[in-house]
Amino acid sequence: AQSVTQLGSHVSVSEGALVLLRCNYSSSVPPYLFWYVQYPNQGLQLLLKYTTGATLVKGINGFEAEFKKSETSFHLTKPSAHMSDAAEYFCAVSDGGGSNYKLTFGKGTLLTVNP
Amino acid sequence: DADVTQTPRNRITKTGKRIMLECSQTKGHDRMYWYRQDPGLGLRLIYYSFDVKDINKGEISDGYSVSRQAQAKFSLSLESAIPNQTALYFCATGSGGYNEQFFGPGTRLTVL
Repeated sequence: AQSVTQLGSHVSVSEGALVLLRCNYSSSVPPYLFWYVQYPNQGLQLLLKYTTGATLVKGINGFEAEFKKSETSFHLTKPSAHMSDAAEYFCAVSDGGGSNYKLTFGKGTLLTVNP
Repeated sequence: DADVTQTPRNRITKTGKRIMLECSQTKGHDRMYWYRQDPGLGLRLIYYSFDVKDINKGEISDGYSVSRQAQAKFSLSLESAIPNQTALYFCATGSGGYNEQFFGPGTRLTVL
């Protein structure tokens, strides 16, 4: 069974500071990994995804994440936080096709950006 | 227009009432999903469907039922609502071998 752990249910940073949101996963097969963002009163929007190939993936709004197989991690980073980044972020894992087209989500990390 | 729509967006109901949440999509995807979101618990899968004739229970299906009326429509029903079903409900569609999913705006349900 696959699972996702997001360390820190709430992260607070200052505007302009580095954003680091942590995600560790477990999967019995090579995983496909996703980060979603949820702005207040909205649905989830895909930030970025890792499927195969390059382990450093870039997403929208200046975010990027690095897949590290040896550490079973897929941490999300942004060099300089902006007020508009305040939202809840979810990491998710899929073991891909076959008969199991499902995503398993972490519990989410709420990012607060202070002026 | 939004690719995945949900109606209603907000609903307040009473314990014991039957309620239906509806989801429609224009993305042409075969796979559709219903999740509920609770603070601190993330998203949990209620039901999912790979086509009109293929419906499957997720991790928390008790108290819920679904209907896949067409490729584009997937409804979630609470037969007899109870207060602990108060939550934010999301519909999603799925595409491709990597299983990227696309979410609707959500329905906020309150059961009194």
